[in-house]
Parts: sequence; structure tokens; C-alpha cells
Amino acid sequence: DADVTQTPRNRITKTGKRIMLECSQTKGHDRMYWYRQDPGLGLRLIYYSFDVKDINKGEISDGYSVSRQAQAKFSLSLESAIPNQTALYFCATSDGRSSGTSYNEQFFGPGTRLTVL
Amino acid sequence: DQQVKQNSPSLSVQEGRISILNCDYTNSMFDYFLWYKKYPAEGPTFLISISSIKDKNEDGRFTVFLNKSAKHLSLHIVPSQPGDSAVYFCAASEVQAGGTSYGKLTFGQGTILTVHP
Repeated sequence: DADVTQTPRNRITKTGKRIMLECSQTKGHDRMYWYRQDPGLGLRLIYYSFDVKDINKGEISDGYSVSRQAQAKFSLSLESAIPNQTALYFCATSDGRSSGTSYNEQFFGPGTRLTVL
Repeated sequence: DQQVKQNSPSLSVQEGRISILNCDYTNSMFDYFLWYKKYPAEGPTFLISISSIKDKNEDGRFTVFLNKSAKHLSLHIVPSQPGDSAVYFCAASEVQAGGTSYGKLTFGQGTILTVHP
């Protein structure tokens, strides 16, 4: 079974709709992240959480919100979707308690392809 | 402001030859660098990393070189194989007060590598 799962895998929605993307992990990691991937722009950080009570904005948080319901769950919401939020969204985790070379390594889910019409 | 740049959107290489993927960065506070590989319909997976105290790290066919004075790193794949065809992302982590990395990654735009049989 996958360590980091994302639901749904694909979603088509209309402008103005509220959308929630969900992420669950079984790795026992305390840190979780949401990224979006756009062609030519790479992966950009939307929000990150270093523990259940810690939520931080990334470089492109406008138009998004998150909720860390438990150590293993981190959801991303688009309150009112717009077409330029059409992208591939990835959730990732990392172990903030590790040391050495594994400290920075992040583990990614399979992604959610979101299309906003 | 793109702090991590991969200026080559694509690279095409013959099987058995060397693939060299390049990455430049502007933030002098970056102290740890990673390469991720991404296949279609999958999330990025960790490939290899290097700390700023080193100038080379090798893992099998993959070697990462870091030139801190030039703020440049490169990934060498020797010999290249068709299964190496994927998108490669360079990522960097910034050092925080106390000398430890923060764990939050900044990604480049990615380079599409195609290895022809």
C-alpha cells in the first residue's frame, strides 16, 4: 500500500465551486506539505505544517486554505475555484525528527489533477 | 523570483551515454540540495542529495556535483538507460539560525530527460 495517498486522483469542477483535496499518510511523519505543479514552473509550495498545531503559508497560498485534522491527514481547500488553479497538486511528508541526510527528504503522493472550467 | 533554476527544459541522450542535468541557485543560505525524479502519473521520488560541505556525492550511476562559488549543481547519469527517461527536479533547503536546515524545499522548474535506445 502507498505510504502517501491523495484523493481524488482527478477532478473536474466549475468556477466558483468549493473543492477539497485530501492527503493521508502512514509513514508516521510529523511534517506535511501541499505543492502545485504547473508546466515550466516546477513545484511551488502552497502550505506546510510541521505538526498538528502548526500551519504555515508557502509562496502561493492566496486562494487556498488547509486543515491538519490529525498527524496523518492534511487537506487542501479551494474556497472558490478559478481556472488558473487548474494544475497538478501534490502532497508530501517528511520526518522532522530525523537527522543527517534524511532530514530534508520529502515523500510525495501520486498527485491530484484538478481542472477548473 | 525563481531561487532555483533549471534552464534546460529538456535533454535528449542516447542510451549508454552520459546525461548531465544542471541547476543554478541564487540564495546563499541554501545548504542542502536534492534531486527528484518524476514519472508521468506518479509523484516525485527522491534520487540523490548533497550537503553544502561536500562537492560530490555518488550513488551507483548517479553523481551530484556542487560548485558553491558558482551556485551551481549538476546531476550526472552514467550510463544513461531508457528507464531514466523522466522529469528531473532540483531542490534546495535553506539553513536556519543554529545551523540546521529548515526542511522546507524550493524546487526548480524541472528538466525532461529522454534516453533513446
